[in-house]
Amino acid sequence: SQTIHQWPATLVQPVGSPLSLECTVEGTSNPNLYWYRQAAGRGLQLLFYSVGIGQISSEVPQNLSASRPQDRQFILSSKKLLLSDSGFYLCAWLVRGYSGELFFGEGSRLTVL
Amino acid sequence: AQTVTQSQPEMSVQEAETVTLSCTYDTSESDYYLFWYKQPPSRQMILVIRQEAYKQQNATENRFSVNFQKAAKSFSLKISDSQLGDAAMYFCALGGGKSTFGDGTTLTVKP
Repeated sequence: SQTIHQWPATLVQPVGSPLSLECTVEGTSNPNLYWYRQAAGRGLQLLFYSVGIGQISSEVPQNLSASRPQDRQFILSSKKLLLSDSGFYLCAWLVRGYSGELFFGEGSRLTVL
Repeated sequence: AQTVTQSQPEMSVQEAETVTLSCTYDTSESDYYLFWYKQPPSRQMILVIRQEAYKQQNATENRFSVNFQKAAKSFSLKISDSQLGDAAMYFCALGGGKSTFGDGTTLTVKP
């Protein structure tokens, strides 16, 4: 069965520190992967998506970057965090054959102080 | 640009009763998909129901059903026989991987 793992689940970081959030998918190959951010009490904002190794598309200019070093690994990074980077980050995989259904990881909550 | 609007930030329902969550959207596409996702307090987002725009028949999944009005660009979710486990934030979404999400409706279920 397909699963998607995110870590760390919770992270508290000072302003100006680096960030690395990791997402790994199991049970599928060549998935389309997505990073979304959810601000408190709000909907999801698409940050990045990737259709394959090394292929990253950015949807929103920001202090973040993404990489896809392996087929089933998607990483969200920052060199210097801002207060506005706080939020709940969700990795998602596009389920094939289901017309656009997203399968989400459990999320990573980032608090920047 | 696509937009999704959920006009009810919070809703409450008595256990075993029926509740309807509203969603309106805007898109220039003629063929598209609409989704309702549920985000329980444990936070993992899961799909509740999907609707294909070219299908006139409203989708149904057990106690969950939608009222899809394509001309009005409306896509409401009806939860029948509400259960305590239905308490969550519900998101309406338009599209596929690059989905556009509404801001969500927090549903409280009262015992």
